Amino acid sequence: KQEVTQIPAALSVPEGENLVLNCSFTDSAIYNLQWFRQDPGKGLTSLLLIQSSQREQTSGRLNASLDKSSGRSTLYIAASQPGDSATYLCAVRVSNTGKLIFGQGTTLQVKP
Amino acid sequence: DTGVSQDPRHKITKRGQNVTFRCDPISEHNRLYWYRQTLGQGPEFLTYFQNEAQLEKSRLLSDRFSAERPKGSFSTLEIQRTEQGDSAMYLCASSLDGSKNEQFFGPGTRLTVL
Repeated sequence: KQEVTQIPAALSVPEGENLVLNCSFTDSAIYNLQWFRQDPGKGLTSLLLIQSSQREQTSGRLNASLDKSSGRSTLYIAASQPGDSATYLCAVRVSNTGKLIFGQGTTLQVKP
Repeated sequence: DTGVSQDPRHKITKRGQNVTFRCDPISEHNRLYWYRQTLGQGPEFLTYFQNEAQLEKSRLLSDRFSAERPKGSFSTLEIQRTEQGDSAMYLCASSLDGSKNEQFFGPGTRLTVL
């Protein structure tokens, strides 16, 4: 059974700092991995999707990496801003139907 | 059409009542998913539609839950005889067939059962 874990559960950093969020999964047989952002009480916003054959994806200040063999992904946020404060969720696609298995999320607070 | 929409955004009901939620996916997306999210947890998969066919259901979807997508466009999720444990955020997502199958989520419906 696929399990997805995100550590830490919460993180507080000063504005301007570079930071890394971690995601691990127990079964390397995944189709892809998606990182999402969720603001309090809102839906999920897709940030990056990495196919199982890829090593990394970049979008602006965000860079996501994938090491399928070790069951790990990281989300790197450069020059963090208070507007980056949110919960970040990673999810792995485990079947042809597209079913996603989510981690519990890391809640990030960026202090001005 | 700029994204996935859900209605209502909030629903408060008394235990034992029936509730129905609606999801309108991105117009060209043929795949539609329902997830449930409780406080402090990641979303959990409930069910999946490809066009109008419901092809996968989670064990979380008890017989009090039913979902439909009658014309392969919008979908409804009905909960009968609601229980306090049903209180959660119900999220809908849609995607296109293909190798990426990137899922785009709606704003969710927050259900509170009193």
